[in-house]
Amino acid sequence: RKEVEQDPGPFNVPEGATVAFNCTYSNSASQSFFWYRQDCRKEPKLLMSVYSSGNEDGRFTAQLNRASQYISLLIRDSKLSDSATYLCVTRNNAGNMLTFGGGTRLMVKP
Amino acid sequence: NAGVTQTPKFQVLKTGQSMTLQCAQDMNHEYMSWYRQDPGMGLRLIHYSVGAGITDQGEVPNGYNVSRSTTEDFPLRLLSAAPSQTSVYFCASSSRQGSTEAFFGQGTRLTVV
Repeated sequence: RKEVEQDPGPFNVPEGATVAFNCTYSNSASQSFFWYRQDCRKEPKLLMSVYSSGNEDGRFTAQLNRASQYISLLIRDSKLSDSATYLCVTRNNAGNMLTFGGGTRLMVKP
Repeated sequence: NAGVTQTPKFQVLKTGQSMTLQCAQDMNHEYMSWYRQDPGMGLRLIHYSVGAGITDQGEVPNGYNVSRSTTEDFPLRLLSAAPSQTSVYFCASSSRQGSTEAFFGQGTRLTVV
């Protein structure tokens, strides 16, 4: 079993739709959590950090449930430019190692 | 703003050849790491370093060597290339302080024939 699990998708949604991605992690010692975005044939880039209280950045909302070891990302009012692969990432207690999920592919259609 | 610079962007090797993938960062980050990305597998950690002179193995270290003689540079060496090492390689760096993001190089697409 992978340490960070994600549904690979693809999620095909129309513009303007709301879409949610989930992620589970198995290492209870993980201290920090992130969503990264990766465009086709490009490097991953940080989308947002995920905090225990939940956090929002514009159309994006991230939630963390430490008890269930579950992370989510909600995208509202999807844009064509949101089409990408979304990577769920955890960081260990020492802060020196990131563990990546396999990614969830999102395709937003006109 | 250079950030993390990886070279080369593309490389084709014959089985058994050796090569070095270069990675340099100009952000004075303590942590640097190498990942490989294969279809459907996400990024898997090969080797990482928490500072100059200190390196350690990640999830998939076999067939690769690293060294960290300076804070800025973290080269990855393939000792004897195998077709199983065909992949996209990413170098990343991050600060030791707090819950900070990792910055990635643009990647190296390696094909071993």
